[in-house]
Amino acid sequence: GNSVTQMEGPVTLSEEAFLTINCTYTATGYPSLFWYVQYPGEGLQLLLKATKADDKGSNKGFEATYRKETTSFHLEKGSVQVSDSAVYFCALTLLEYALNFGKGTSLLVTP
Amino acid sequence: DTEVTQTPKHLVMGMTNKKSLKCEQHMGHRAMYWYKQKAKKPPELMFVYSYEKLSINESVPSRFSPECPNSSLLNLHLHALQPEDSALYLCASSGGSSYNEQFFGPGTRLTVL
Repeated sequence: GNSVTQMEGPVTLSEEAFLTINCTYTATGYPSLFWYVQYPGEGLQLLLKATKADDKGSNKGFEATYRKETTSFHLEKGSVQVSDSAVYFCALTLLEYALNFGKGTSLLVTP
Repeated sequence: DTEVTQTPKHLVMGMTNKKSLKCEQHMGHRAMYWYKQKAKKPPELMFVYSYEKLSINESVPSRFSPECPNSSLLNLHLHALQPEDSALYLCASSGGSSYNEQFFGPGTRLTVL
């Protein structure tokens, strides 16, 4: 089946540190890949996406590259801020209606 | 308008009450979804409507009853819920040129007493 594996959190970083959240996937085909972010008490927001191999999604200083050879879509940011504290979900879709989420990674950025 | 709106934001109900959650989008999306999210977990798909017809029901108990009155609105009717149904209920929609990208609403925080 299709699935997403994310690194377990929580991840705690100091402000301005470099962030990597690992995400790997298993899929029977060529999925589209997404990172969603959920701030405390809110719904999910799409952070970035990539629809084919070697695509790089980017938004708000975050980046992720679709690596077909390693079946990965790792999230990176060069300098995190306190306001980036949230839960980050990696997800994939193959079929139009089926969005498979990873378990989520909680990020806490301290001043 | 690129928003999915949900009302109410918070809802507290007893196990014998009947209540409804509402979701609205004006992006012309043809698919709408209900998800349930427990604390520190990813969202779990409950229902999918496509072109106003129920296309996916993920074995959800009958005390949850979805309704899609038109292409912009999605309701979730609640009756005889259990305390374990307390969760964040998220609505989402998809369609258009980014057909596989789902846009989520802010959610309704439901507490069942």
